[in-house]
Amino acid sequence: DGGITQSPKYLFRKEGQNVTLSCEQNLNHDAMYWYRQDPGQGLRLIYYSQIVNDFQKGDIAEGYSVSREKKESFPLTVTSAQKNPTAFYLCASRRLAGTQETQYFGPGTRLLVL
Amino acid sequence: KQEVTQIPAALSVPEGENLVLNCSFTDSAIYNLQWFRQDPGKGLTSLLLIQSSQREQTSGRLNASLDKSSGRSTLYIAASQPGDSATYLCAVIMNTGFQKLVFGTGTRLLVSP
Repeated sequence: DGGITQSPKYLFRKEGQNVTLSCEQNLNHDAMYWYRQDPGQGLRLIYYSQIVNDFQKGDIAEGYSVSREKKESFPLTVTSAQKNPTAFYLCASRRLAGTQETQYFGPGTRLLVL
Repeated sequence: KQEVTQIPAALSVPEGENLVLNCSFTDSAIYNLQWFRQDPGKGLTSLLLIQSSQREQTSGRLNASLDKSSGRSTLYIAASQPGDSATYLCAVIMNTGFQKLVFGTGTRLLVSP
């Protein structure tokens, strides 16, 4: 089955710890995105990437880092500099060919602070 | 800065009712508008995408309209069912080259049997 997988489903972070959220897609999509969702707020863009080895900051990139070494993978690291990391994190991907291509979303990872 | 607002924040209706969800946006220079459904603790599923040149899109019992000049979109759900219970998110797509989505805060819908 083609789709986007995110792991783990739940992740716990201790103070001062960096944690990495996984996002993998087998849709052969060019672009990938990371969003953060907080209760009562809309999704906000953290980072995005349109091609391998290239990525751009979104609206709330501080305290996060990403890499895009493979087309299928776009891991997000939540660093200790992110002071309020508790949220639901969603990864998305999209084919760039065609202006009407929609973004497809993964099932999400919920990050909690211990 | 584009801002997207959805009203109401929550809605509870009995099964079978027709209902309307509202979405408004402050900057009419959008590329497209999209409606998503999100079940609790899950990712987003695309329902309808309306291109800026279109006025509406339909899929089954769903109909979405777009009025760019007034900065409004509505999602009409006909003959609601308990399975329609979910959060509905509106997102405007800004033509910034990488398809930036600006999301509203959503409408949480509960359809009772």
